[in-house]
Amino acid sequence: KAGVTQTPRYLIKTRGQQVTLSCSPISGHRSVSWYQQTPGQGLQFLFEYFSETQRNKGNFPGRFSGRQFSNSRSEMNVSTLELGDSALYLCASSSDRLNNEQFFGPGTRLTVL
Amino acid sequence: DQQVKQNSPSLSVQEGRISILNCDYTNSMFDYFLWYKKYPAEGPTFLISISSIKDKNEDGRFTVFLNKSAKHLSLHIVPSQPGDSAVYFCAASARMGTGANNLFFGTGTRLTVIP
Repeated sequence: KAGVTQTPRYLIKTRGQQVTLSCSPISGHRSVSWYQQTPGQGLQFLFEYFSETQRNKGNFPGRFSGRQFSNSRSEMNVSTLELGDSALYLCASSSDRLNNEQFFGPGTRLTVL
Repeated sequence: DQQVKQNSPSLSVQEGRISILNCDYTNSMFDYFLWYKKYPAEGPTFLISISSIKDKNEDGRFTVFLNKSAKHLSLHIVPSQPGDSAVYFCAASARMGTGANNLFFGTGTRLTVIP
């Protein structure tokens, strides 16, 4: 099976702009979660989507949003970018069986100037 | 508030010896624990997991131990190999209690295995 793919891999934006990141989960996986990784905070949960519905949300401002399509692909959007949004954004998919593992993509490195 | 803590940011071990990575958690609702390994510029790779109904799970050179009363888990790698050098993240979820699938991660421990 192909793994989780994320596009683009690298992105440079300026403050105030908005950005959309994309994630394609492993075939058959219906749950997609997004995480932000920064040097100081480690990996922090943003939100999870399952069957096109946001099922769970972390403690991030409303500038961070997402959606999931019927084919389970997911997008994450950040509006009004701030310098502190510079991070590695990771997407993970899971089959949603009980006690399942999440499989991560390579991430999108976002730099905000 | 960091609910999962890895208090050792780094660890160096000789090749062939045992590596022990530690993790503590505060939320008693956590019922599933995982270890991930991460190389630079890559996403975390799943290593091994353990359910709260067990106290040990073994997979090849990797063994995870869970002490629920102490809210502590550890990952043992025996024997350690240079290719094990990476950042290791401990993660936990409260799936049974909340139905939520999100993982809470520690801040990672960088393991260096010296040849």
